[in-house]
Amino acid sequence: EPEVTQTPSHQVTQMGQEVILHCVPISNHLYFYWYRQILGQKVEFLVSFYNNEISEKSEIFDDQFSVERPDGSNFTLKIRSTKLEDSAMYFCASSEWRDRASPLHFGNGTRLTVT
Amino acid sequence: GDSVTQMEGPVTLSEEAFLTINCTYTATGYPSLFWYVQYPGEGLQLLLKATKADDKGSNKGFEATYRKETTSFHLEKGSVQVSDSAVYFCALSEWGATNKLIFGTGTLLAVQP
Repeated sequence: EPEVTQTPSHQVTQMGQEVILHCVPISNHLYFYWYRQILGQKVEFLVSFYNNEISEKSEIFDDQFSVERPDGSNFTLKIRSTKLEDSAMYFCASSEWRDRASPLHFGNGTRLTVT
Repeated sequence: GDSVTQMEGPVTLSEEAFLTINCTYTATGYPSLFWYVQYPGEGLQLLLKATKADDKGSNKGFEATYRKETTSFHLEKGSVQVSDSAVYFCALSEWGATNKLIFGTGTLLAVQP
């Protein structure tokens, strides 16, 4: 079964540094998402992306965050200047359709540790 | 706004015991409902879903019925196995919106042999 692939599995960075998290969504999917899960807390929506633009974003997704689909297969999340509170597990997801019944397929996540 | 509430864990059961994980939701519209499972070291996997009232989602022996009257979507399994040990997340997708998911806090299930 096709999978969403995320790299790296674990990223350690120093506060203030830029970090880019990588995702390869399922090839025929058109809608892409980033979620995060701070340790012990809920899985939270960050952003959705379709047709090379952001379709929705949460309050968490401030100016420090950006997303890009640079080459038609990758989907990246960039954090420009990381803060300690950005430490979390970041999940990429994709779906074939946009309707509410179309399930999201998630990657295994990237654990980001900001020191 | 819309929200999902699920029972706190951890839930510890012996093999072959009956499992119930409660999930209730608050929604302004008519959401779709999902259960996702996260095995140790892995990502979130869709376990089952239901898109309208009285629908029953089922997969791998797990079941959940969309109860609009009680705004609930409880997860059940008649006989759990050690391999079912994981974190289970209830989630909803809002009516009329994108399929953005709103998750519950997750319930850790530990099944002992």
